[in-house]
Amino acid sequence: EDQVTQSPEALRLQEGESSSLNCSYTVSGLRGLFWYRQDPGKGPEFLFTLYSAGEEKEKERLKATLTKKESFLHITAPKPEDSATYLCAVIETSGSRLTFGEGTQLTVNP
Amino acid sequence: EAQVTQNPRYLITVTGKKLTVTCSQNMNHEYMSWYRQDPGLGLRQIYYSMNVEVTDKGDVPEGYKVSRKEKRNFPLILESPSPNQTSLYFCASSRTSGRLFFGPGTRLTVL
Repeated sequence: EDQVTQSPEALRLQEGESSSLNCSYTVSGLRGLFWYRQDPGKGPEFLFTLYSAGEEKEKERLKATLTKKESFLHITAPKPEDSATYLCAVIETSGSRLTFGEGTQLTVNP
Repeated sequence: EAQVTQNPRYLITVTGKKLTVTCSQNMNHEYMSWYRQDPGLGLRQIYYSMNVEVTDKGDVPEGYKVSRKEKRNFPLILESPSPNQTSLYFCASSRTSGRLFFGPGTRLTVL
């Protein structure tokens, strides 16, 4: 059974204080790993897809990286508007369903 | 504008009263899915559909029904709601089953 574990559960940063969120996964074969951002009361919004170990994607202050067992979402010099819950999800090669982690709730204080 | 819409956005009902939450997408996506989101449990898939007239169970299908008679619509039916179905529900669609576009959510309370 696919498993996705995100850490930490919650993270509080000062504006400008860079950090990383972790997503560890267990799948028989990875077809893709996805990062989403979710604001309170809203649906998740797609950020990145990663397909193979060593791959990296960037968008503004966010950079996602992938190894064979985990993915990191690096946040450089975060701003208060980056506050949200960040969700990681995986889909296996033989599957048709995304399995989500429970998310990391990020708060960036001004 | 490309979007997934859900109705209603908020619903308070009583145990046993049948209800339907509608979901519609305007992106001509083949894949559609329903999730529920609960504190401490994350997003869990209820049902999904790979195309018209093709539906399959997700991780938590008990107490729910779906249908996919048209490509754009994927309603979620609760025949006899119970309090443990109180949750935040999301519909999502995708060209495949990877990158999902989510609706705004339906907050359901069953008394």
